[in-house]
Amino acid sequence: QQQVKQSPQSLIVQKGGISIINCAYENTAFDYFPWYQQFPGKGPALLIAIRPDVSEKKEGRFTISFNKSAKQFSLHIMDSQPGDSATYFCAVPREDNGNKLVFGAGTILRVKS
Amino acid sequence: ETGVTQSPTHLIKTRGQQVTLRCSSQSGHNTVSWYQQALGQGPQFIFQYYREEENGRGNFPPRFSGLQFPNYSSELNVNALELDDSALYLCASSNSGYGYTFGSGTRLTVV
Repeated sequence: QQQVKQSPQSLIVQKGGISIINCAYENTAFDYFPWYQQFPGKGPALLIAIRPDVSEKKEGRFTISFNKSAKQFSLHIMDSQPGDSATYFCAVPREDNGNKLVFGAGTILRVKS
Repeated sequence: ETGVTQSPTHLIKTRGQQVTLRCSSQSGHNTVSWYQQALGQGPQFIFQYYREEENGRGNFPPRFSGLQFPNYSSELNVNALELDDSALYLCASSNSGYGYTFGSGTRLTVV
């Protein structure tokens, strides 16, 4: 079964700092790499996603860096805020066809004020 | 534009019982996917429905079954509940692409 490895499991960052979460995948045939944000008691919400034809995508304080040769992609949160404290999941498409996702195990981010 | 609505929000069942969870997809979305999220884990794909037909299934036993209705709402049924079925069950709708909108989930506890 398709594996996606996410690290670290948890992360504590000072307010204003940079949060970095990494994700490694196996299959090279994917065309969509999203990051989801989940607050307690809520379902995951799409934060930002990238296609493999670009190496970086930025939306506000959130940036995805994509390294196709290393089969890795990372989420960078600049100027981290206490409101960013949540669980973050990377995901990749399943190996079978269709729009189904395999999620990483998640990273619990805590931003200290 | 309404989001994805799931009901009930919480549920407690006894081992061996059956449960039905419900999901109303976001307006305009024709695809519904169900995920199981155990505590401290990422969501695990159960199955997907597209225009009332099952369109892919994850590594879940046949006692997990589902339906999609003409209005694209959906049900997840679980028979012969086991303690390990305790989890947050998430419904996500999309319009055939990867742009999922998740509901807030149903927290199922099996005792």
